[in-house]
Amino acid sequence: DTGVSQNPRHKITKRGQNVTFRCDPISEHNRLYWYRQTLGQGPEFLTYFQNEAQLEKSRLLSDRFSAERPKGSFSTLEIQRTEQGDSAMYLCASSLTGGHAGNTIYFGEGSWLTVV
Amino acid sequence: DQQVKQNSPSLSVQEGRISILNCDYTNSMFDYFLWYKKYPAEGPTFLISISSIKDKNEDGRFTVFLNKSAKHLSLHIVPSQPGDSAVYFCALSGSARQLTFGSGTQLTVLP
Repeated sequence: DTGVSQNPRHKITKRGQNVTFRCDPISEHNRLYWYRQTLGQGPEFLTYFQNEAQLEKSRLLSDRFSAERPKGSFSTLEIQRTEQGDSAMYLCASSLTGGHAGNTIYFGEGSWLTVV
Repeated sequence: DQQVKQNSPSLSVQEGRISILNCDYTNSMFDYFLWYKKYPAEGPTFLISISSIKDKNEDGRFTVFLNKSAKHLSLHIVPSQPGDSAVYFCALSGSARQLTFGSGTQLTVLP
């Protein structure tokens, strides 16, 4: 399978703990995105990387959130001191870049976080 | 302020009939428009897209229409099948290339 891979798929954690999610994009894709989705809403953009450079961060990404893509391949999203409001599905996606405006963004299956 | 709106949270259609899902946007800077389909507990799956230079794109049973003057996007599925039952999101892309999503429409195709 050469799609976007995320793990763990499900994580239950106690409030105040740190959690880390990993994303492996489609191998030739140089752009990698993180989104968050809560019930009844569409996915909301958090941040994206072009290769290893983090180019944009949403104001949704508080100081407790940090994302890395150290070698321009896989990425991690860490949430420190989790709060119940962090409970959501965290989606990773990847795409190619280029002059074409419509390089499609492909999503992984998501990582469910439940903070109790 | 929502830039992308899907005003119908749900839609039920009989199998074999046409499903029409709608999406309205406010920002004229969007230049690429996509539809994603999502099953529960899975990530969104790309369905079909259209660039701002076109007003129609067709792929099998799926057709996307873009009316730029009205800032309106629609997805037509014909004939609808029970396997099409899912949440459908419109997603819009601008110069920054990340996607802005609507809140989704739950389509139920009744056998």
